[in-house]
Amino acid sequence: GESVGLHLPTLSVQEGDNSIINCAYSNSASDYFIWYKQESGKGPQFIIDIRSNMDKRQGQRVTVLLNKTVKHLSLQIAATQPGDSAVYFCASRGEYGNKLVFGAGTILRVKS
Amino acid sequence: DTGVSQDPRHKITKRGQNVTFRCDPISEHNRLYWYRQTLGQGPEFLTYFQNEAQLEKSRLLSDRFSAERPKGSFSTLEIQRTEQGDSAMYLCASSSTFVRKFNEKLFFGSGTQLSVL
Repeated sequence: GESVGLHLPTLSVQEGDNSIINCAYSNSASDYFIWYKQESGKGPQFIIDIRSNMDKRQGQRVTVLLNKTVKHLSLQIAATQPGDSAVYFCASRGEYGNKLVFGAGTILRVKS
Repeated sequence: DTGVSQDPRHKITKRGQNVTFRCDPISEHNRLYWYRQTLGQGPEFLTYFQNEAQLEKSRLLSDRFSAERPKGSFSTLEIQRTEQGDSAMYLCASSSTFVRKFNEKLFFGSGTQLSVL
């Protein structure tokens, strides 16, 4: 079946360092990918998205990289701040689907 | 734009009881989704509506679950004869297909945390 998974369940970084969160997906027909951040007791919050016709997209302090050859997605956070501490989910949409399929999540802990 | 609103935030019920949750999407969003999330897992798709039409239901969705969106605005999710395994966070999300074609970005509410005792 279709799945979207993460390599590392927990990532600890020092404040000010860059963070890289990785994600693997299984559906080669996925044409859209998205990263969400979820803080305790809240719903997922949109961070950045990317279509399959792109390899890289940048936002404010965040960059998403897509490698379709190996079906790998990553989220880079520059100058990580304590407020970035949360669970990060990647999700993908199938070519003909209308729903997002989520991975299990990576916990990001920022040490001050 | 006040975001997606869900009510209640928390619900504690006894096994066998029925519960109903409400979701108010972002105004003018024509798509509304229900997801379920258990601790340490990503959200799991349950069902979605476009306007008042329910277009897809997960195969995992038990027949004890029913969702409605009668006027194409707010939606309700009902769980009948609750079981302990239903304990989870129930998330609602909405999106608009009018902003751009195939707009996939979902805006989530804060969820309803259900505990079945």
